[in-house]
Amino acid sequence: DAGVIQSPRHEVTEMGQEVTLRCKPISGHNSLFWYRQTMMRGLELLIYFNNNVPIDDSGMPEDRFSAKMPNASFSTLKIQPSEPRDSAVYFCASSLGWGFQPQHFGDGTRLSIL
Amino acid sequence: GDSVTQMEGPVTLSEEAFLTINCTYTATGYPSLFWYVQYPGEGLQLLLKATKADDKGSNKGFEATYRKETTSFHLEKGSVQVSDSAVYFCALSDDKIIFGKGTRLHILP
Repeated sequence: DAGVIQSPRHEVTEMGQEVTLRCKPISGHNSLFWYRQTMMRGLELLIYFNNNVPIDDSGMPEDRFSAKMPNASFSTLKIQPSEPRDSAVYFCASSLGWGFQPQHFGDGTRLSIL
Repeated sequence: GDSVTQMEGPVTLSEEAFLTINCTYTATGYPSLFWYVQYPGEGLQLLLKATKADDKGSNKGFEATYRKETTSFHLEKGSVQVSDSAVYFCALSDDKIIFGKGTRLHILP
């Protein structure tokens, strides 16, 4: 079975550029989560969707970050404009329902902003 | 609000040693509890879970028991291997999931 698929795996870009990260959740899962992981701050939940609707975006750091889920099989996380402090590994995860259900993580996108 | 506290790492052990990674939680409801493992360059993977008090989750030789009286969910393994080297995350899930900060484990051959 295909797991959560994220692209690209690595992204290096210059400060000020727009960055788009992509995620395909596991088929049939109706909850999707975006996380950011850094050495300093650990794993942070940025936003999560249920049935394609954003439920809680309180973790989104600022207006430069936006996330969409146009359908059940695709989500994007966009940073515009990007800054060096956005450098991190970004994970997408999906689950069947939310709350009590375990999450399935993709392998992440390692983002470096120069 | 709900929270998870796990022991800070890194934890360094020799192969075949006994492992305990402590995890305690605070929650207003009755959450499910999880341990996730993250190997280098990969995302988190569910290791085991427990959904109610006194449940024991187990997988790959790892075990953890949901202790409501001590609000704990400590991870244990009787004999660790080099391949167990990874970062381990304790988590609780009620209306949303909350992760601990992770504990890095190094196993020396």
